[in-house]
Amino acid sequence: EPEVTQTPSHQVTQMGQEVILRCVPISNHLYFYWYRQILGQKVEFLVSFYNNEISEKSEIFDDQFSVERPDGSNFTLKIRSTKLEDSAMYFCASSVERDSRTQYFGPGTRLLVL
Amino acid sequence: AQTVTQSQPEMSVQEAETVTLSCTYDTSESDYYLFWYKQPPSRQMILVIRQEAYKQQNATENRFSVNFQKAAKSFSLKISDSQLGDAAMYFCAYRGGVGSEKLVFGKGTKLTVNP
Repeated sequence: EPEVTQTPSHQVTQMGQEVILRCVPISNHLYFYWYRQILGQKVEFLVSFYNNEISEKSEIFDDQFSVERPDGSNFTLKIRSTKLEDSAMYFCASSVERDSRTQYFGPGTRLLVL
Repeated sequence: AQTVTQSQPEMSVQEAETVTLSCTYDTSESDYYLFWYKQPPSRQMILVIRQEAYKQQNATENRFSVNFQKAAKSFSLKISDSQLGDAAMYFCAYRGGVGSEKLVFGKGTKLTVNP
């Protein structure tokens, strides 16, 4: 069964460094999402992406964040200058179409900012 | 803004018994979608079941079923014949029908299954 994959599974970085989190959505899916989950807290929506542009973003998704689909398979989340409070689990999700109503999640990347 | 509330931070159940996890939500929309996701210790989010608000019939998936009460804005998950592998965090999530793609999650319920 096709699934969303994410790399790396864990990443440790120093405050102020740039990180890129990578996702490979399910191959026929067209809508892509990033969520994050700070330890012990709710899963929070960051951004949705379709047709090479952001379709919706939350207030969390400020200028420090960017997303890109550099090729036909990868979907990336970049954090330009990491802060301690960026430490969280980051989940990528995809759906086949806007109206599919079901988003399929990847296993997550655990980011630790020191 | 839509909110999702899970009032039970933790629940436990004996193996082979039935447990119900509660979820309520607040919305002014009439068309929306509700989901239960499972997050085992591996932390991957796994879709358990979904419900379209326009459908009166409650969704079922094998041992998992929901009790969807639209007027009460309640969406509980029933797990029958609980298994050790059901132990996980369970998140209730809401998605609007028009104009928004984001999922809004509750805080989760940690389910323990006792042998």
